[in-house]
Order: sequence, then C-alpha cells, then structure tokens
Amino acid sequence: SQTIHQWPATLVQPVGSPLSLECTVEGTSNPNLYWYRQAAGRGLQLLFYSVGIGQISSEVPQNLSASRPQDRQFILSSKKLLLSDSGFYLCAWRQGSYEQYFGPGTRLTVT
Amino acid sequence: AQSVTQPDIHITVSEGASLELRCNYSYGATPYLFWYVQSPGQGLQLLLKYFSGDTLVQGIKGFEAEFKRSQSSFNLRKPSVHWSDAAEYFCAVGPPWGYQKVTFGTGTKLQVIP
Repeated sequence: SQTIHQWPATLVQPVGSPLSLECTVEGTSNPNLYWYRQAAGRGLQLLFYSVGIGQISSEVPQNLSASRPQDRQFILSSKKLLLSDSGFYLCAWRQGSYEQYFGPGTRLTVT
Repeated sequence: AQSVTQPDIHITVSEGASLELRCNYSYGATPYLFWYVQSPGQGLQLLLKYFSGDTLVQGIKGFEAEFKRSQSSFNLRKPSVHWSDAAEYFCAVGPPWGYQKVTFGTGTKLQVIP
C-alpha cells in the first residue's frame, strides 16, 4: 500500500532563516505531488504541484520554491522566511484516480 | 473559475444526533466532488468522492453525501454522530478532465457534545 511521509513534524524558525520541508511517497511510481499551506479559517491553499521529476508548477507567487529531485520526493524551500510563512504545510499525492492523499503535515512557526 | 462554499464555519451537535454539513460549489459542468476530514494537527483523510452515477455516495465511518445538480450542492450526512467524529470537514471540487487542481472549501469544524 502507499504511504506518504513528511518531516519534520514541527519546526520553529526565525525570520530570515532558510527552510526545507521534505515529502516522500512509498508504494507508487510517478505520482502527481502537491504542496498546500493551511491557515486557520482559510482552507487549503495550493502552493505547488508536480507531474514528474523536475517539473514544478507554481500557483502562488511568493518567497517559497519547490523541487522534485526524485520521482517520489518533493521538497519545499525558502531562502528567507517571513512571518507570514507560518502555517501548516501539507503534502499530497495522486495517481490514476482523482482524489488526493495527504501526509501528516508540518507545523511551521516563524518567530 | 471553480469555487466551493461551506457556509457553516462551526457546528455543534449532540452525540447520537444526525448531522448534515453543507457544501455548495460553482462550476460550469459536473465536477468531481470530495469530502475530507481532518483531526487536529493531522493531515486530511478522504471520506468519500463523487465522480458520476448514483448521486448518493457512501463513504467511510458511516458518512454519506448526496450530489444535487440543480442546487449545486454536495452535502455530507451522518445519521448518528459519535464523539470521535469531532474534527474539521472539508469539501473539495475538481474538474472532470483530470486536471491537477482541486479547490477546497474553508472547512466546517464539528463539535460533538455528550
């Protein structure tokens, strides 16, 4: 069966520091991968999605970036964090059918 | 552009009572529709999905949802709520041609009182 992992689970970073969040999927190949950010009362905001290695589509212009160095690995990065980057970051995958399956999430607090 | 509206931000029900969470969507054709549930600090879990066919779909944990094209709605129901159902529920809509983007509603937080 397929599983999706995210780490770290929680992260506290100062403003201006770099960021790297990692997401990996097991048990499938060539999945579509997604990064979402969730802020209280605002639902899920799609940040990036990827249909293959090295293929990244950005939905929201901001100081975040994403990369997909391997088929089942998706990384969310920032060179300099802002206070507004705080939130709950969710990775998801999809293959074949149209529903997405979500990871456990990373709680990021920028101080 | 597609959109989803969950008009109830917060709902409180008694354990054992019935539940209905509302979801309205805006889309030019019949979309794909989903309900997800999220417990505090967790990821989202798929409850059920509608693609086509029978407009009443059954999901996990005793939930069901009914697609009503005339009302652009996809409401989630459960006949008898359990304390463990307390969570946040998200409705989502995606286009039928398999594009990548799914739009989520802002969620309804369910509180269950004994």
